[in-house]
Amino acid sequence: QVQLQQWGAGLLKPSETLSLTCAVNGGSFSGYFWSWIRQPPGKGLEWIGETNQSGSTNYIPSLKSRVTISVDTSKNQFSLKLTSMTAADTAVYYCARGPFYDILTGSYMGFDYWAQGTLVSVSS
Amino acid sequence: EIVLTQSPGTLSLSPGERATLSCRASQSVSSSYLAWYQQKPGQAPRLLIYGASGRATGIPDRFSGSGSGTDFTLTITRLEPEDFAVYYCQQYGSSPRTFGQGTKVEIK
Repeated sequence: QVQLQQWGAGLLKPSETLSLTCAVNGGSFSGYFWSWIRQPPGKGLEWIGETNQSGSTNYIPSLKSRVTISVDTSKNQFSLKLTSMTAADTAVYYCARGPFYDILTGSYMGFDYWAQGTLVSVSS
Repeated sequence: EIVLTQSPGTLSLSPGERATLSCRASQSVSSSYLAWYQQKPGQAPRLLIYGASGRATGIPDRFSGSGSGTDFTLTITRLEPEDFAVYYCQQYGSSPRTFGQGTKVEIK
């Protein structure tokens, strides 16, 4: 059974850097993209970016100048750093598995496993 | 960037009724790489549908997805009490992977 567990600081001051890590347990790390998504309080979902086991990354253009997603394959972990945090970045941040090609179904899948989420608040 | 627009914003229905949710894309979604998620308060989203019409593991058959190109639909044939939630569509065929703004299915 695949489980994603994430951790990181939940309260930041303006201009500080968000740092979150997501550990993947119970499944393979290779063959998947691994994504970060956020959700401001009471609002919808926003994809931030993704990485794979080789460290290839894609980011949403609006955050590209501030975001870095990295991978540590030796620990089956991937991480998110978001610099220059402001109140507008206050959100629940999730890590998730996907997208990926599923050999069993022969289909390209969405995000099938998610961590529990971390509420990150930015306040002075 | 592909923009997804969901309608309606809120759907007020009674248990046992049929729910039809729409998701329209600003440009064609490649190879129907369109997913639907369900989210309940305080929980992470749950994958319901992938590839526009494939049901994810463990998803009841009252949930079905259809559509291609720019128009997609999620149908819940008979609403159960646990189906009242917010539903999001997402395209994952091109980067950035974008979500719709959500449709809330509430009890009438």
